[in-house]
Amino acid sequence: ETGVTQSPTHLIKTRGQQVTLRCSSQSGHNTVSWYQQALGQGPQFIFQYYREEENGRGNFPPRFSGLQFPNYSSELNVNALELDDSALYLCASSRGGTSVDTQYFGPGTRLTVL
Amino acid sequence: AQSVTQPDIHITVSEGASLELRCNYSYGATPYLFWYVQSPGQGLQLLLKYFSGDTLVQGIKGFEAEFKRSQSSFNLRKPSVHWSDAAEYFCAVAPATSGTYKYIFGTGTRLKVLA
Repeated sequence: ETGVTQSPTHLIKTRGQQVTLRCSSQSGHNTVSWYQQALGQGPQFIFQYYREEENGRGNFPPRFSGLQFPNYSSELNVNALELDDSALYLCASSRGGTSVDTQYFGPGTRLTVL
Repeated sequence: AQSVTQPDIHITVSEGASLELRCNYSYGATPYLFWYVQSPGQGLQLLLKYFSGDTLVQGIKGFEAEFKRSQSSFNLRKPSVHWSDAAEYFCAVAPATSGTYKYIFGTGTRLKVLA
């Protein structure tokens, strides 16, 4: 069984640019959640996708957007990058979109904004 | 406001010693509770979770946690720490209702293990 994978591993961008991060969910999982983990902080919930629909959103501006594809993989897009967007971005997949469904995390994408 | 507090940013213990990591939460109702571990370069791995029932929960790698409603706490324990336990540990809560589960994580406790 393949676990959650994310690409790329590392990324460097400059302020104002746009970035797309990718996540492949674990086999049999239909839900993907995205988190931002700033240095020295715990992960913060960005949004969740359940069967290709956004199923909830944290306190992030609209320039953070996402997609989920029919194979349940997902993308996180961030427009107009700011220095504070530098962080580890984690995705997690699960069998469903409720709290009882265990989330399995990928290794993350480290984004640096210069 | 909903929050999770892990009061210890760093903890150092000797290999073989016992370990307790503290977690307190502030939430409208009793949430679901989780402990995750993050090793360098790795994603988060679930150690254990509490939904209801027995307040002492057993997890993987010899970890256990005790839910204390009166103290709004969910402390993680291990009787004998191994060098491979060195990592960062996160406590998290999620709503015990249907619909979106928006995990709220604490800021983490970094564990160092001395040989």
